[in-house]
Amino acid sequence: GQNIDQPTEMTATEGAIVQINCTYQTSGFNGLFWYQQHAGEAPTFLSYNVLDGLEEKGRFSSFLSRSKGYSYLLLKELQMKDSASYLCAVPGNYGQNFVFGPGTRLSVLP
Amino acid sequence: GAGVSQSPSNKVTEKGKDVELRCDPISGHTALYWYRQRLGQGLEFLIYFQGNSAPDKSGLPSDRFSAERTGESVSTLTIQRTQQEDSAVYLCASSPQLAGGVTDTQYFGPGTRLTVL
Repeated sequence: GQNIDQPTEMTATEGAIVQINCTYQTSGFNGLFWYQQHAGEAPTFLSYNVLDGLEEKGRFSSFLSRSKGYSYLLLKELQMKDSASYLCAVPGNYGQNFVFGPGTRLSVLP
Repeated sequence: GAGVSQSPSNKVTEKGKDVELRCDPISGHTALYWYRQRLGQGLEFLIYFQGNSAPDKSGLPSDRFSAERTGESVSTLTIQRTQQEDSAVYLCASSPQLAGGVTDTQYFGPGTRLTVL
């Protein structure tokens, strides 16, 4: 089976850096996804990691350690529009039983 | 349109009634997922379709829930004898599903907000 854990809520200040952690347990590994979901909207894709290390994409970076079952999403130069829930997700083999974490609700304050 | 579409966007129904939710995936996407998201909660996997393979129904919460998909086109999620606990946003996502079983990015529709009175 698969299990994912994330902090429920985080608060940060505009312009700051925030790291959102995700730990997972899975019987097989087929990569890890991060999605962003604004209130009342559908999730949108942010990043996909399948190899260990840091993947940088503009203000957002995602890190993966397969041996530790750990990932984090790093958001730099926070903006008010970054206030959203950030979902960590892992797929099963061939995509079935795609499991999402509970999401971390990030509030960016002025 | 280029994205995943769902209809209706909102549905209010009375307890005990049946409802049918529709999802139009992105053309060419072989994989289709249904999720349920209760207010303030994470996404709960319901069912997965991949091409003409048998669907993975492991997430369906009860036998009142069923879903169909013809080929790689439209899917419908049916909830029979709705209960108040079925109130949630039902999200559909499609994915191109790369060769070799590698999972690709999911593209989500706007969801259907179901309210059972």
